[in-house]
Amino acid sequence: GEDVEQSLFLSVREGDSSVINCTYTDSSSTYLYWYKQEPGAGLQLLTYIFSNMDMKQDQRLTVLLNKKDKHLSLRIADTQTGDSAIYFCAESRFSGGYNKLIFGAGTRLAVHP
Amino acid sequence: DADVTQTPRNRITKTGKRIMLECSQTKGHDRMYWYRQDPGLGLRLIYYSFDVKDINKGEISDGYSVSRQAQAKFSLSLESAIPNQTALYFCATSDPGLAGYQTDTQYFGPGTRLTVL
Repeated sequence: GEDVEQSLFLSVREGDSSVINCTYTDSSSTYLYWYKQEPGAGLQLLTYIFSNMDMKQDQRLTVLLNKKDKHLSLRIADTQTGDSAIYFCAESRFSGGYNKLIFGAGTRLAVHP
Repeated sequence: DADVTQTPRNRITKTGKRIMLECSQTKGHDRMYWYRQDPGLGLRLIYYSFDVKDINKGEISDGYSVSRQAQAKFSLSLESAIPNQTALYFCATSDPGLAGYQTDTQYFGPGTRLTVL
């Protein structure tokens, strides 16, 4: 995860918005992903954004991409206790015939009443 | 994702033992991957396979080997386990998609927690 950086921890109050930030290094990345990992579970694909887009919205999730600054964010509206998990940002680099994923270390989101 | 299953889910073993982790998928994807997850490090790629006859090393393949028995099965072996291989191991699959749309999104299994004493 040395090329993709995320803050390690975020605490929010239930009902507030959460914003998880990520910076990446490869300007040629084609896709950027957000995965969610709940305790004891695998990685669940939340959403992804193509590098020629600057925003993608899917229900409570909004992804913003600033390609100039190589900055990606995930906003969760009306955060619920069920959103408590680790969120991984990943950039893809198309090389050798496939999209190699480079993961950040993950941001642990804690939602409190 | 129930379409990608891993066995066992948890395993405790001793240094020097041979261990095999299994991955099966019903997604019909040709591409399969093995990652390990360590706290604070995210996921790192161990091996990947584009089809049964195409297997490639990832960034941390030392101490590991793999076998692609069929399109749906990809096994990871630790020939002689050591304590620093204690980690959470994930299998993933992907489909390159339509020509010109190279999303190649990866879908992950539930993970195997391996402890080497």
